[in-house]
Amino acid sequence: DGGITQSPKYLFRKEGQNVTLSCEQNLNHDAMYWYRQDPGQGLRLIYYSQIVNDFQKGDIAEGYSVSREKKESFPLTVTSAQKNPTAFYLCASSAAVGGTSGADTQYFGPGTRLTVL
Amino acid sequence: QQQVKQSPQSLIVQKGGISIINCAYENTAFDYFPWYQQFPGKGPALLIAIRPDVSEKKEGRFTISFNKSAKQFSLHIMDSQPGDSATYFCAASINSNFGNEKLTFGTGTRLTIIP
Repeated sequence: DGGITQSPKYLFRKEGQNVTLSCEQNLNHDAMYWYRQDPGQGLRLIYYSQIVNDFQKGDIAEGYSVSREKKESFPLTVTSAQKNPTAFYLCASSAAVGGTSGADTQYFGPGTRLTVL
Repeated sequence: QQQVKQSPQSLIVQKGGISIINCAYENTAFDYFPWYQQFPGKGPALLIAIRPDVSEKKEGRFTISFNKSAKQFSLHIMDSQPGDSATYFCAASINSNFGNEKLTFGTGTRLTIIP
């Protein structure tokens, strides 16, 4: 089955600790994204990557870091510098080939709920 | 800052009725407008999308109406069913040389369909 997997589903972290959220896709998509979702708010973009070994900051990148060493993987690290990390984190991917019909559709994973204790 | 404003925040509709969710945007460069459906504890899934060259798109019970001059678009769910109860997000993005990117999302509408 093709799709996006995120792990773990639930994650608990103590204050001051870094934690890494996993995102893997087997859709052969070029672009991958990380969003944060808080209750009553829309999805806010943290980082995105259009190609391997390249990534761009989104609207709320402070306190987060990413890497894109492989096409299928885009892990997100929530660092201790993130002041309010408790949230639902969503990873997405898209084909992202310019001008291609349907390439802009973003497909989302099931999410990771991070709670800071 | 690019924004997409969504209303209402929550909506209760009787089974069989029409659910209507509205979105307004500011950036006239937006050229792709998808709607996503999200069930509790799950990731959003694309429901239907439209581009500004058409004023309406219909897929089954779901219709997007688009008003370019007013910079507004809306989702209509006909014959609403209890299984439609979910949170709906509108979004918008700008096409670039690398395809659409950086979706800007509305704040979501929690839809509840009652018997």
